[in-house]
Amino acid sequence: VQLVQSGAEVKKPGESLKISCKASGYRFTRFWIGWVRQMPGKGLEWMGVIYPGDFDVKYSPSFEGQVTISADTSISAAYLQWNSLRASDTAIYYCARRADSSWWFLDYWGQGTLVTVSS
Amino acid sequence: DIQMTQSPSSLSASVGDRVTITCRASQNITNYLNWYQQKPGKAPKVLIYGASSVQSGVPSRFSGSGSGTDFTLTISSLQPGDFATYSCQQTYTTPMYSFGQGTKVEIK
Repeated sequence: VQLVQSGAEVKKPGESLKISCKASGYRFTRFWIGWVRQMPGKGLEWMGVIYPGDFDVKYSPSFEGQVTISADTSISAAYLQWNSLRASDTAIYYCARRADSSWWFLDYWGQGTLVTVSS
Repeated sequence: DIQMTQSPSSLSASVGDRVTITCRASQNITNYLNWYQQKPGKAPKVLIYGASSVQSGVPSRFSGSGSGTDFTLTISSLQPGDFATYSCQQTYTTPMYSFGQGTKVEIK
């Protein structure tokens, strides 16, 4: 199992961005993929999750309306998208897979994508 | 929203020490509690799920306990590779699977 995320991005406030998380080594449509934010020097924040099998998306209330989570099953990729970035979106963003378990936890993680938003 | 509060925020310990980190939930989450370890510049790694189940491949010196609102992660004998930040996560309420703020374990 591998989750490989797209590379670091430097953007200006107001710009749009879509980062990716490409999965391999398992059946992509059978497992939830979550997104986690980590602002500089801070803790982990749960953003939301998608089930690629039916494209069901659940957002943390803190992030609903601020980002869009999507997936493309033809290439086994999940995405996190912003329409208008803010400086406060500067962070590392991780994707991670829900484990094949009756328990809800994240067993495989991407390497993280650093997003820097600065004028 | 369920708030997760960890204590302490940081601690200093020596190799061989027994280390205990606490996570408190703002309401009952039964045993829907996970623990992750994160080293600088790396993605988190799950250690414990379901409050007390050790993930495959995780050394037996790591253990978890608790239920309801109070949980503990214990490292029985701290090893050099254990210096890292540890975070708890509740998965009781969909879709807000909130994390604690993290506990940084540093070398004394």
